[in-house]
Amino acid sequence: KAGVTQTPRYLIKTRGQQVTLSCSPISGHRSVSWYQQTPGQGLQFLFEYFSETQRNKGNFPGRFSGRQFSNSRSEMNVSTLELGDSALYLCASSSSTFYEQFFGPGTRLTVL
Amino acid sequence: GESVGLHLPTLSVQEGDNSIINCAYSNSASDYFIWYKQESGKGPQFIIDIRSNMDKRQGQRVTVLLNKTVKHLSLQIAATQPGDSAVYFCAEIDNYGQNFVFGPGTRLSVLP
Repeated sequence: KAGVTQTPRYLIKTRGQQVTLSCSPISGHRSVSWYQQTPGQGLQFLFEYFSETQRNKGNFPGRFSGRQFSNSRSEMNVSTLELGDSALYLCASSSSTFYEQFFGPGTRLTVL
Repeated sequence: GESVGLHLPTLSVQEGDNSIINCAYSNSASDYFIWYKQESGKGPQFIIDIRSNMDKRQGQRVTVLLNKTVKHLSLQIAATQPGDSAVYFCAEIDNYGQNFVFGPGTRLSVLP
């Protein structure tokens, strides 16, 4: 089975721009979660989607949003980028819930 | 590879020795705990999990111990190998499966 894939792997943007990151889960997995990883804050949960519905949400501002498509692929959008949004954004998929999540390699976002 | 954490606590062990990585969790309502391993340039990889109704669980070369009284979790790695060098995270999930929190991580360095 192919693992979780994320595109692009690296991205450079400037402040004020917006960005869209993509995640393709493992085939058959319906839950997709997004995380932000920074040296200062560590790994933080952004949100989880299951069957095209946001089921859980972390404590991030509304600039961070996501969606899930009928094929379980998910996108995450960050609007009005700030320098502090520079991070590794990780996507994880599982068959049903947070349990037994499989992580992708991440997208490294740099905001200049 | 990606910089997971610049100021993580580091544990250095000699190859072949046993390693013990500790984690304090915060939520007494947490019901499920997971240990992840993250190598440079990769997403976190599931190692082992344990539910709150257990105090010990063993896998291949790894053992997780849970002490609910003091809200402490540990990961023991037997006969540590160079390939074990990575950052290790604990994660906790509350009993509603809705609050997923990662610990700050510990960098394990295996010395030849």
